[in-house]
Amino acid sequence: GENVEQHPSTLSVQEGDSAVIKCTYSDSASNYFPWYKQELGKRPQLIIDIRSNVGEKKDQRIAVTLNKTAKHFSLHITETQPEDSAVYFCAASLAGGTSYGKLTFGQGTILTVHP
Amino acid sequence: DTGVSQDPRHKITKRGQNVTFRCDPISEHNRLYWYRQTLGQGPEFLTYFQNEAQLEKSRLLSDRFSAERPKGSFSTLEIQRTEQGDSAMYLCASAPGQMADTQYFGPGTRLTVL
Repeated sequence: GENVEQHPSTLSVQEGDSAVIKCTYSDSASNYFPWYKQELGKRPQLIIDIRSNVGEKKDQRIAVTLNKTAKHFSLHITETQPEDSAVYFCAASLAGGTSYGKLTFGQGTILTVHP
Repeated sequence: DTGVSQDPRHKITKRGQNVTFRCDPISEHNRLYWYRQTLGQGPEFLTYFQNEAQLEKSRLLSDRFSAERPKGSFSTLEIQRTEQGDSAMYLCASAPGQMADTQYFGPGTRLTVL
């Protein structure tokens, strides 16, 4: 089955700096890659996603890049703010076959933005 | 519609007891997923429904776990003879028709087995 590795496990930055979180996946057939933000005690919330027919997607301060050849994708947050502090999870999904779109998550990155 | 809801939000039970959780997906979402999340880890897939049909179950889902979605709307997850290792957050997510679409998560049910 699919395996997703996420790095780093913790990331500390100063307000206004950029933050980058990287994930690799094992199944070359995976074609959907969402990123979720989870604050303490709350539900995972989608912040951005990318499909395999696109190499990059941007939404204001957040961007995701995908390298299908290398099987890795990254989350980029620019101009970080203290409210960006949370746990971030990457995930991969395979549409088709018998996987029915289930998400395989990375281990998470604890992002701390210091004022 | 305010999103996916789950009930109860917290459940404390003694080892050996049975527990049941409920998930109400976003209306008209025909796909429903259950995940389990332990502290410091990402959610792990448990099972999936397309309408009322349970189409996939993880090997994590032992025979003590059963899930239903009888009318293709809400779903229940039952754990029989709970063990301390079952303590976790149980998350439900729903999604519209396309398999590679966004999954929207509920707030979760936190289970503590004493």
